[in-house]
Amino acid sequence: KNQVEQSPQSLIILEGKNCTLQCNYTVSPFSNLRWYKQDTGRGPVSLTIMTFSENTKSNGRYTATLDADTKQSSLHITASQLSDSASYICVVNQAGANNLFFGTGTRLTVIP
Amino acid sequence: DAGVIQSPRHEVTEMGQEVTLRCKPISGHDYLFWYRQTMMRGLELLIYFNNNVPIDDSGMPEDRFSAKMPNASFSTLKIQPSEPRDSAVYFCASRYQGAHMTEAFFGQGTRLTVV
Repeated sequence: KNQVEQSPQSLIILEGKNCTLQCNYTVSPFSNLRWYKQDTGRGPVSLTIMTFSENTKSNGRYTATLDADTKQSSLHITASQLSDSASYICVVNQAGANNLFFGTGTRLTVIP
Repeated sequence: DAGVIQSPRHEVTEMGQEVTLRCKPISGHDYLFWYRQTMMRGLELLIYFNNNVPIDDSGMPEDRFSAKMPNASFSTLKIQPSEPRDSAVYFCASRYQGAHMTEAFFGQGTRLTVV
């Protein structure tokens, strides 16, 4: 069964600290994986996209990793800011189809 | 472009009433998706269109849900009759033809409350 699981479900960290969010998937065949950020009351917005051949990709303070062998991805946030408070959703695209499989997200709260 | 535009932003209705959600995709995009988001289940695909044609509606919960795309710039999701368990945030997203790597852009969602 094609699934995407994220952990932790929620996370609270102090401003300035780093954190890492996890995503495990069983989607096959694999095409690509995106991390989306969803602010409260808004639609999700793409942060990064990872393809099969990519191990790591950065977007400012966000760094995503992908291990296609173990089917795991992580999103590392460096020097967190209050504006990082949001839900982070891992989305896996199945190859050859328009099927997107969504994780239920990690709710990150950054406190001063 | 203003992005994907959804209306209304919030809808409160009584059980049994008909609800219509609206979406205007980004101009030039030929894929349109309807999603439902709840705390328990996250984002779930309901239906998607390609060039105004429904391709996969297997995610539509039941016959009470229907979606149309009469033209490239407009789509509706209708619930009739509505039930309290339909309460959720409904998102519309669009993207353009081509590589599967193209990003799906989401609207701001419609928060539906059925009482």
